Amino acid sequence: EPEVTQTPSHQVTQMGQEVILRCVPISNHLYFYWYRQILGQKVEFLVSFYNNEISEKSEIFDDQFSVERPDGSNFTLKIRSTKLEDSAMYFCASSEALNSPLEQYFGPGTRLTVT
Amino acid sequence: KQEVTQIPAALSVPEGENLVLNCSFTDSAIYNLQWFRQDPGKGLTSLLLIQSSQREQTSGRLNASLDKSSGRSTLYIAASQPGDSATYLCAVRSNTDKLIFGTGTRLQVFP
Repeated sequence: EPEVTQTPSHQVTQMGQEVILRCVPISNHLYFYWYRQILGQKVEFLVSFYNNEISEKSEIFDDQFSVERPDGSNFTLKIRSTKLEDSAMYFCASSEALNSPLEQYFGPGTRLTVT
Repeated sequence: KQEVTQIPAALSVPEGENLVLNCSFTDSAIYNLQWFRQDPGKGLTSLLLIQSSQREQTSGRLNASLDKSSGRSTLYIAASQPGDSATYLCAVRSNTDKLIFGTGTRLQVFP
């Protein structure tokens, strides 16, 4: 069964460093998402992406964050200058079409630890 | 602003019991609702999706119902097993891209 994959599974970085989290969505999916979950808290939406542009972003997704689909398979989240409060599990998700009933499928997550 | 609440926050039951997990949302104008399972330190596995026009969905021992007008969904787990132990999350999608998640119900089923 097709699945969303994410790398790395765990990333440790120092405050102020740039990190890139990578995702490979399901191959025929058109819509891509990033969510995050701070330990013990709710899963929160960050951004959605369609047709090579951001379709929606939350107030969390400030200028320190960017997303890119550099080729036909990868979808990346970049945090330009990490802060301690960016430590969280980051989930990538994809769905086949926005205006269809189909689910969002989530990857296993990347645990980001900022020290 | 849509808010999603799940009760109970935690549940511990012996194997074999039938369970009901509750999810409520404040804005009834939803597009769909998904139930997920999350194992500790792991990703989210989609269990069931209910469209706004549907009343329920079933998959194996799982049955999810939706009462949009009252802002409620329930996840019914029949004949629970220790392997069902996990956190169960509900998430609603309104007329935008994003899913809004509840805080989850942490379920433990003991032998």
